[in-house]
Amino acid sequence: QLQLQESGPGLVKPSETLSLTCTVSGGSISSSSYYWGWIRQPPGKGLEWIGSIYYSGSTYYNPSLKSRVTISVDTSKNQFSLKLSSVTAADTAVYYCASSPGDCYDYWGQGTLVTVSS
Amino acid sequence: QSVLTQPPSVSGAPGQRVTISCTGSSSNIGAGYDVHWYQQLPGTAPKLLIYGNSNRPSGVPDRFSGSKSGTSASLAITGLQAEDEADYYCQSYDSSLSGFWVFGGGTKLTVL
Repeated sequence: QLQLQESGPGLVKPSETLSLTCTVSGGSISSSSYYWGWIRQPPGKGLEWIGSIYYSGSTYYNPSLKSRVTISVDTSKNQFSLKLSSVTAADTAVYYCASSPGDCYDYWGQGTLVTVSS
Repeated sequence: QSVLTQPPSVSGAPGQRVTISCTGSSSNIGAGYDVHWYQQLPGTAPKLLIYGNSNRPSGVPDRFSGSKSGTSASLAITGLQAEDEADYYCQSYDSSLSGFWVFGGGTKLTVL
C-alpha cells in the first residue's frame, strides 16, 4: 500500500515562500491511476483542499489560493512538491499530502505543521 | 464558510445510532458529484471512511454507512463505540468557478 511522507521547514517568515515535498513509497508516482494532492488544516479548524497534480503534470488548484500555489512532480524521485508564496499568519497549518484514485483521498501522510512567523 | 455544511457537533451514548449531515448545492452534491467521508482521530491524519457516497474501504466496519439524496448526504454510525469519538468531514467536487474539491466544515462526534 502507498505511504506518503511530508518534509520541509516548520517555520517560514511572512511574505516568504512555503516549500514542502511529499515522498511516495509503495507505488509509483507515475501511475496513471492516481492524482496527488495537498490539503491543509489550520490549528483547531477544518480541512482545506489546496490542489492536485497528475503524473503528466496537469494541475488543479483551489481558486482561493491559485495565484500563490504551485504544485509540481518529480517522477525520478517519486516525489511531488508544494510551493505557496507570499505567506501570512493565515497560512499557518498542518499540511498533508495525499493520494487520490479519482476524487477522494485514500492515503494520507502524517502531516507537517508549518508556522508562519517572524 | 464551507461550501458543504455540516453540524459542528453531534453526540450519542454507546450503542446508539447517530447521523451526520452534509448539505451542499446544485454545483456540488446536487450536480451528481460523489460524496466521501473521512474520520480524523485526535492528533492524526484523516482516514477515508466512505467513498463514492456509500462504499466502505477495506477494514472499515459496517457500522459506518453513507447515503446521498438531492443536495445532501449523510453518514450514519450504528452501535456507537468510545473509539468513534473523532472529527468527521464530508468531501465532494464543486463545479463553480473553475472547479475544485471541497470539504465540509467538520463535525465533532462525542460519545457520552
